Amino acid sequence: DAGITQSPRHKVTETGTPVTLRCHQTENHRYMYWYRQDPGHGLRLIHYSYGVKDTDKGEVSDGYSVSRSKTEDFLLTLESATSSQTSVYFCAIISSRNTEAFFGQGTRLTVV
Amino acid sequence: SQQGEEDPQALSIQEGENATMNCSYKTSINNLQWYRQNSGRGLVHLILIRSNEREKHSGRLRVTLDTSKKSSSLLITASRAADTASYFCATDAVGGGADGLTFGKGTHLIIQP
Repeated sequence: DAGITQSPRHKVTETGTPVTLRCHQTENHRYMYWYRQDPGHGLRLIHYSYGVKDTDKGEVSDGYSVSRSKTEDFLLTLESATSSQTSVYFCAIISSRNTEAFFGQGTRLTVV
Repeated sequence: SQQGEEDPQALSIQEGENATMNCSYKTSINNLQWYRQNSGRGLVHLILIRSNEREKHSGRLRVTLDTSKKSSSLLITASRAADTASYFCATDAVGGGADGLTFGKGTHLIIQP
């Protein structure tokens, strides 16, 4: 298995609070991604990174920010959590274009 | 927007039968990939087929790609109960930049023992 871990695995938080999810890789892969998975929508890209300090928005980036200060860590922050952000969040890594992605085990976030 | 769309959304078959899932996409691609997701787990890569390939095999998996129809199929032969999972196609679009793969909504496969 690729060395990719997400933390926490489960979190319950209150509306309006900030939340940070962490993705850590040991593969030294250049590309890192955050997706959310919701019933009926499949996986949708939130943000991605193509290098340290190089990030960009995906399809559903509103309400989210990211940071990548080191190759191995990609942080996803919900500045002020809303109930619509209740979802399962997946991090993925890719070594280079035209190759397979490796996924973390996911973080189940519930905003109450 | 979703690039890949799987069909059917759900499929239930008997153990030992073959399962076929289809994926359609909209734009030109570099490659198309299939992933499996067991309940509550992350996605696991199954197979990658490049745009210049038409068919690829891996164990009990057979993938075809028809770029003229912008479609792909995943065949699982001699299905087993352990094949019960959701299956997703993902496309790496030509000119897509660094934004990676675009996933469909998945086919939920149930293998009845």
